[in-house]
Amino acid sequence: QKEVEQNSGPLSVPEGAIASLNCTYSDRGSQSFFWYRQYSGKSPELIMSIYSNGDKEDGRFTAQLNKASQYVSLLIRDSQPSDSATYLCAMSYYNQGGKLIFGQGTELSVKP
Amino acid sequence: KAGVTQTPRYLIKTRGQQVTLSCSPISGHRSVSWYQQTPGQGLQFLFEYFSETQRNKGNFPGRFSGRQFSNSRSEMNVSTLELGDSALYLCASSFGANTGELFFGEGSRLTVL
Repeated sequence: QKEVEQNSGPLSVPEGAIASLNCTYSDRGSQSFFWYRQYSGKSPELIMSIYSNGDKEDGRFTAQLNKASQYVSLLIRDSQPSDSATYLCAMSYYNQGGKLIFGQGTELSVKP
Repeated sequence: KAGVTQTPRYLIKTRGQQVTLSCSPISGHRSVSWYQQTPGQGLQFLFEYFSETQRNKGNFPGRFSGRQFSNSRSEMNVSTLELGDSALYLCASSFGANTGELFFGEGSRLTVL
């Protein structure tokens, strides 16, 4: 079993809708969680980090972490065509912060 | 503020050769990590350096090595190249150690023929 799993998609949503991206992880020792966005042909860029159970909001983005159920999700409200990209879920263990373990990524397509 | 700079951006090598990739982190960042990205395996961690010391290493063969200099610039080297080493090699920097909040460079695209 992979340490971090995501649906590869593609996930298609209409403009203005909420896009929901999910990620599960296998090791309860996982400490920190991150969402990166990668446009085609570009490098990943950090969108959100979340370290404790609950929700964390930043503009149109909300990250949700549930350590008991071992999942982390990303909600994108009012989705825009410019949000079309691959979203990468990543996690790290305690004291290994720079060593990220990435999921395969979910391709999101926002249709005008 | 300049971002993470990687050179060269593209390179083509043949099997058995070696390659050195360079990374200049964001000014003030002391931690540099390297990742390999392929369509099949996705993003995989190679190594992390902080203050010239390797803090973490991924599950790659010894042909993959790296180092960090006193100015935080980093290099990675792959010796005896194999076809499967064809990938995008991404460098990322962060201000401190032990953080997953990384800033990635544009990558070095390596093709091994």
